[in-house]
Amino acid sequence: DVKVTQSSRYLVKRTGEKVFLECVQDMDHENMFWYRQDPGLGLRLIYFSYDVKMKEKGDIPEGYSVSREKKERFSLILESASTNQTSMYLCASSFPGLVYEQYFGPGTRLTVT
Amino acid sequence: AQKITQTQPGMFVQEKEAVTLDCTYDTSDQSYGLFWYKQPSSGEMIFLIYQGSYDEQNATEGRYSLNFQKARKSANLVISASQLGDSAMYFCAMREGSRTGANNLFFGTGTRLTVIP
Repeated sequence: DVKVTQSSRYLVKRTGEKVFLECVQDMDHENMFWYRQDPGLGLRLIYFSYDVKMKEKGDIPEGYSVSREKKERFSLILESASTNQTSMYLCASSFPGLVYEQYFGPGTRLTVT
Repeated sequence: AQKITQTQPGMFVQEKEAVTLDCTYDTSDQSYGLFWYKQPSSGEMIFLIYQGSYDEQNATEGRYSLNFQKARKSANLVISASQLGDSAMYFCAMREGSRTGANNLFFGTGTRLTVIP
């Protein structure tokens, strides 16, 4: 079974803190993604990566950065957390190509106070 | 413009009945893929069904089928014989074939389905 794991299910951070969200997949997928999910807005893509050390901005990259040093691991970094970054963060991975579905992690619910 | 539109924020269905969840999409690509995901209250996203733009037959997976109408750019999910466990958020998503690299998905805003006993 494909497994995508995220470092925390729930996280509470203070405004201005640097926050790291980690994602690990065990299926040797080339592609990895970070989304945030907010009520009424669906899932919005923050960043994605199609290879080690390669990254591309998604629709809402402002305030975020990413790191992919190893194929199985994709980290999302909030350089200076703000209250408007309170959200559910979902990591996903997939093989490249049109037909392949993305496999999702369980999500991290981040609250910034 | 929205690439994926789900116009039903919430739907109710009686147990054992069928329900259709609407999805329309917008793309100028000839090659694209359409996906449906289910998100129960626990939060994990579960892949349900896939339809390719060149597939001539509607996709089916058990009780799930995708009513693909290419000319109308719609990809509605049909759930037959609803069960209480079908209560969840359902997301429609699209991947465009012209994009290189990771082929990311565009998601709709979701439909919350409630199955009534």
